[in-house]
Amino acid sequence: AQSVTQPDIHITVSEGASLELRCNYSYGATPYLFWYVQSPGQGLQLLLKYFSGDTLVQGIKGFEAEFKRSQSSFNLRKPSVHWSDAAEYFCAVGVSGGYNKLIFGAGTRLAVHP
Amino acid sequence: GAGVSQSPRYKVAKRGQDVALRCDPISGHVSLFWYQQALGQGPEFLTYFQNEAQLDKSGLPSDRFFAERPEGSVSTLKIQRTQQEDSAVYLCASSLRGQGLAYNEQFFGPGTRLTVL
Repeated sequence: AQSVTQPDIHITVSEGASLELRCNYSYGATPYLFWYVQSPGQGLQLLLKYFSGDTLVQGIKGFEAEFKRSQSSFNLRKPSVHWSDAAEYFCAVGVSGGYNKLIFGAGTRLAVHP
Repeated sequence: GAGVSQSPRYKVAKRGQDVALRCDPISGHVSLFWYQQALGQGPEFLTYFQNEAQLDKSGLPSDRFFAERPEGSVSTLKIQRTQQEDSAVYLCASSLRGQGLAYNEQFFGPGTRLTVL
């Protein structure tokens, strides 16, 4: 069965520091992979997605993620975090074909120290 | 409207009451999804509509949950005889196309936070 694991429930970084949020997935075929961000009271906003091709994908707000098939991982990175990045981040796998149902991880809450 | 809207944004119900949650998808979007997000968890799939047809309801947790989209646009998620474990944020998402091989981005609404006392 498809599943997504985000090992870190909560991460705190200093403003300006680099960030890496971990995501591991379990899926039989080539997955569609996503990172979403959720701010308090807001809906989910898509940061970036991976379907195929280049394993390093660029997203909005300066985020990037790297797909590593051998490790079943899709970690999210940002070289320099801003205070406005404080939010909850969700990794998700999309079931390819059909209607692309999303399966989400439990999320990682990011806090940013000034 | 510019995006997916949901109403009400907050709902408090006494245990045993029925509730109805509304979703207005982006105009012209064929697909509509409902997800349930419990506190501290990621969203979990509930059900999927392609136009007015409910093609997948495998995620609905019990027969107290019912969803409809009678005209292929607005959708309502109804929960009968609410229980405390139904407390969660209910998210709606829509996407432009229906089933197919091509990826179909989902756009999410702000959610309805349901609290059952």
